[in-house]
Amino acid sequence: DVKVTQSSRYLVKRTGEKVFLECVQDMDHENMFWYRQDPGLGLRLIYFSYDVKMKEKGDIPEGYSVSREKKERFSLILESASTNQTSMYLCASSLASPANTEAFFGQGTRLTVV
Amino acid sequence: AQSVTQLDSQVPVFEEAPVELRCNYSSSVSVYLFWYVQYPNQGLQLLLKYLSGSTLVKGINGFEAEFNKSQTSFHLRKPSVHISDTAEYFCAVRLSGGYNKLIFGAGTRLAVHP
Repeated sequence: DVKVTQSSRYLVKRTGEKVFLECVQDMDHENMFWYRQDPGLGLRLIYFSYDVKMKEKGDIPEGYSVSREKKERFSLILESASTNQTSMYLCASSLASPANTEAFFGQGTRLTVV
Repeated sequence: AQSVTQLDSQVPVFEEAPVELRCNYSSSVSVYLFWYVQYPNQGLQLLLKYLSGSTLVKGINGFEAEFNKSQTSFHLRKPSVHISDTAEYFCAVRLSGGYNKLIFGAGTRLAVHP
């Protein structure tokens, strides 16, 4: 079974802190994604990576950055956390092809910024 | 631009009744279609996916979905729901090209009552 593991289930951080969310997958997938989930808005793509050190902005990249130094690990960074970044964050991974392959998700990290 | 619309934000239903969760998409190119389920405090799990061929797709837990190209719809159905089906359901599309990004709908919360 594919496993996507997010380092924390719950996090509470203070406004202005630098926050790291870590994600590791064990199936040698090329693609990795960070989504943000908010009620009534579904999942919105923040960033994705299609290879080591390669990244592309998603739909809502402002206030976030990412790092992919190894194929299995994809980190989301909040440079200076703000209260409007309180949300559920979901990491996912998938093969690069075929295009009909599904994405596999981690359990999510619920981040609260106070 | 591609988009996914889930027509109902909440669907209450009694146990053993049939249910349909509606999903429409817009895209000018070929897409692949998915339904995911999210149980409370969990990540997303794939229910089923439409690749090509037969328009009726069967998934896990007794769910099925029908692809209708002329109406650009991919509605999810189950003939008899169980309490354990209470969850949030997400419809998603992936373009046939690009980096296999998944575009999600806003979600439908299915509440099954005894």
